Amino acid sequence: NAGVTQTPKFQVLKTGQSMTLQCAQDMNHNSMYWYRQDPGMGLRLIYYSASEGTTDKGEVPNGYNVSRLNKREFSLRLESAAPSQTSVYFCASSEVSGRATQTQYFGPGTRLLVL
Amino acid sequence: GESVGLHLPTLSVQEGDNSIINCAYSNSASDYFIWYKQESGKGPQFIIDIRSNMDKRQGQRVTVLLNKTVKHLSLQIAATQPGDSAVYFCAENIMYDDMRFGAGTRLTVKP
Repeated sequence: NAGVTQTPKFQVLKTGQSMTLQCAQDMNHNSMYWYRQDPGMGLRLIYYSASEGTTDKGEVPNGYNVSRLNKREFSLRLESAAPSQTSVYFCASSEVSGRATQTQYFGPGTRLLVL
Repeated sequence: GESVGLHLPTLSVQEGDNSIINCAYSNSASDYFIWYKQESGKGPQFIIDIRSNMDKRQGQRVTVLLNKTVKHLSLQIAATQPGDSAVYFCAENIMYDDMRFGAGTRLTVKP
């Protein structure tokens, strides 16, 4: 099992450009998440998908959109990138959504630089 | 302990010593907590979890202690090894499908 995979590993964008970050998991997990991690700060939830066909906003959703393409894949889109979106983006998945268990398995991250 | 800001708290220990990493959480209603380890350039990795109906839970070389009275969580690593060098952070289950993460503590193990 590859676990959680993310592409690309690194990306440089100019302000105003768009891009989609891809995430896939092969653990048959129901829930998937997108976080950003900034220096000296904890992970902040952007969007999550509790199950296939549903998506919900997290703590910092502005400037982002998501698509839960199927049970395996959850993409994050930046329509018009801004320097404030320079960050490391992590995708995660968990077997069960809600309070029953929240053990999340993380991908290796995508480092995004917006100039 | 944890903090939000540009500089992470750091803990430096000698190889073979025990390490204690602390975390203050924010919500008295949180009922599930996780410790993660994050090595440089990698994603966070689950270490151990604990539910609010427990005070202590042990894993392999790691122990998590929960003090709900003061909203404090700690991670103890026994016989710390160089491979334990990483950033460690705690997470609390705030509400349905929402985990809040601390900024972390950087552990450095000296040989």
